[in-house]
Amino acid sequence: EVHLMESGGGLVQPGGSRRLSCAASGFTFSNYEMNWVRQTPGKGLEWISNISTSGDITHHADSVKGRFTISRDNAKNSLYLQMNNLRVEDTAVYYCASAGDCATGPCHNTAYFRYWGQGAVVTVAS
Amino acid sequence: DIQMTQSPSTLFASVGDRVTITCRASQNINTWLAWYQQKPGKAPKLLIYQASSLESGVPSRFSGSRSGTEFTLTISSLQPDDFATYFCQQYHSYSWTFGQGTKVEIK
Repeated sequence: EVHLMESGGGLVQPGGSRRLSCAASGFTFSNYEMNWVRQTPGKGLEWISNISTSGDITHHADSVKGRFTISRDNAKNSLYLQMNNLRVEDTAVYYCASAGDCATGPCHNTAYFRYWGQGAVVTVAS
Repeated sequence: DIQMTQSPSTLFASVGDRVTITCRASQNINTWLAWYQQKPGKAPKLLIYQASSLESGVPSRFSGSRSGTEFTLTISSLQPDDFATYFCQQYHSYSWTFGQGTKVEIK
């Protein structure tokens, strides 16, 4: 059974930093591009970061570019999101989510979010 | 960024009803569109990918279609478990974007 489990959420002051982790199991982690998606009541669902299967290529939404960094450790089946210079508007539920299986064909063809974690709440407030 | 305009924002329906939710892309995204279902306090669940392909394990009453830049999610006969919020998402190009969501409520 596929399982994604986020950890590291909590309360952070504006300007502070936080690192989220996502532990994966039940699928061949290294075959899947991975993502972070966040959700707020006001802005809905927002994709924020993507990382290639090997970890050498990353993409970030403009809203977090230069502040957030996605990374992965395939040996540990883990995904990370380093969040720096946090703002009040970064308050959200953060989900890790897999794309499809790149081993079956071009990664873009399966770039939808197949597997999701349960979410980690990050609150940025003083 | 590609904008995804989803309608309606809320839909009231009864068990057994045929339900249609629409998503319009601001530019051509071919068939690079997915649909998700989300229930309160839970993560979204993938229903449909590539506009019309049913994810494994998803009931066949769910279907997706495309006409140009307009995409439709149809539930052929609404079941009690289907009362939830539904989102579309384009994965044609970064930044991948979601629709605002459609909440399906009991009439």
